[in-house]
Amino acid sequence: EAQVTQNPRYLITVTGKKLTVTCSQNMNHEYMSWYRQDPGLGLRQIYYSMNVEVTDKGDVPEGYKVSRKEKRNFPLILESPSPNQTSLYFCASRELAGNTIYFGEGSWLTVV
Amino acid sequence: GNSVTQMEGPVTLSEEAFLTINCTYTATGYPSLFWYVQYPGEGLQLLLKATKADDKGSNKGFEATYRKETTSFHLEKGSVQVSDSAVYFCALSDPPRTGNQFYFGTGTSLTVIP
Repeated sequence: EAQVTQNPRYLITVTGKKLTVTCSQNMNHEYMSWYRQDPGLGLRQIYYSMNVEVTDKGDVPEGYKVSRKEKRNFPLILESPSPNQTSLYFCASRELAGNTIYFGEGSWLTVV
Repeated sequence: GNSVTQMEGPVTLSEEAFLTINCTYTATGYPSLFWYVQYPGEGLQLLLKATKADDKGSNKGFEATYRKETTSFHLEKGSVQVSDSAVYFCALSDPPRTGNQFYFGTGTSLTVIP
């Protein structure tokens, strides 16, 4: 079954404590991306990657890092989380020239 | 630049009512247009899409027609059910030659009451 899997699904953490949200896809997609979803703002892209070792900033990259060492994985790293990063995060993937995005189930992150 | 504007919610309808959620877009070239649906506690799923002008996308009783002259892609359903309660996102993607980035609207929450 085609899947984008992200973990953890729910996390409460404290300001400044580094955390990583993992994302893995089993469709051999070149393109992967991270979004955050906030009320009234919809989906905003954080970072994206068009292939292994190729990453680029989206609309709201501040405070986040990513890496793409393998094609299937695209972790999102919050080096020093702050309360304004409390949000619902989605990982997504697609073929590079494809026009259908596949989303993970989302990760609820609360920073206190 | 590219953008998508969709009607603000929340929208509350009675079961079997007619649904329209408006979506307009701004884009250069000839984008593909999409509606994604997010059921409670889940990620976004593709509901329907249209890749060129005058195409009609349809799925699960929902329809949307790609109108280039009005730059619109309104979502419609003739008779909604309680199970249609969800958040609906309109989206567009650049053609592959221009990077194939996706742009999402802010989402419209729909609640259908029995």
